[in-house]
Amino acid sequence: DAGVIQSPRHEVTEMGQEVTLRCKPISGHDYLFWYRQTMMRGLELLIYFNNNVPIDDSGMPEDRFSAKMPNASFSTLKIQPSEPRDSAVYFCASSLRDYNEQFFGPGTRLTVL
Amino acid sequence: GQQVMQIPQYQHVQEGEDFTTYCNSSTTLSNIQWYKQRPGGHPVFLIQLVKSGEVKKQKRLTFQFGEAKKNSSLHITATQTTDVGTYFCAGQGAQKLVFGQGTRLTINP
Repeated sequence: DAGVIQSPRHEVTEMGQEVTLRCKPISGHDYLFWYRQTMMRGLELLIYFNNNVPIDDSGMPEDRFSAKMPNASFSTLKIQPSEPRDSAVYFCASSLRDYNEQFFGPGTRLTVL
Repeated sequence: GQQVMQIPQYQHVQEGEDFTTYCNSSTTLSNIQWYKQRPGGHPVFLIQLVKSGEVKKQKRLTFQFGEAKKNSSLHITATQTTDVGTYFCAGQGAQKLVFGQGTRLTINP
């Protein structure tokens, strides 16, 4: 298995633009997690899915952020409109069960100018 | 809500010295996990502790889970330059895994 796949690896955009981050979890994993990592706030859980259904989105910063999981092999995190304070590394992770180890993707480094 | 605190935030050691990072949860945990993130990389799972008082070893790394299942520690004996990175604990509460802020370890060769 190739592991968790994320795209793009780097994204530079201007304030106000829409940004879409993509994730392909490990096949067979029932849980998918989206995290944001910054120096100031560390690793924050934004939202997680179980069998494609959002379970907890309490970490989503505000209405500008949305996440979907249309099927078991694909998820997106969208920011619209983007702001400079959204600059961070966004990780996607997947696991077999919610209490199992999480496998992280390589991350997307987002820079909003 | 559940909080996981980790100390110290940073640690710089000479190669060969020991290193310890501590993790404390505001609530009792069902399990605790440890991850390592190399500079520029992504978190990678190291180990999971489930039982009260559990101790596990991986070569020079020793992991402990407290008796009350609210705290944990990671100890590295005789650090090597390959140990450089940020070490995160993550506590599994009632609903989700909560990560600590991490301890960033740097090593002077």
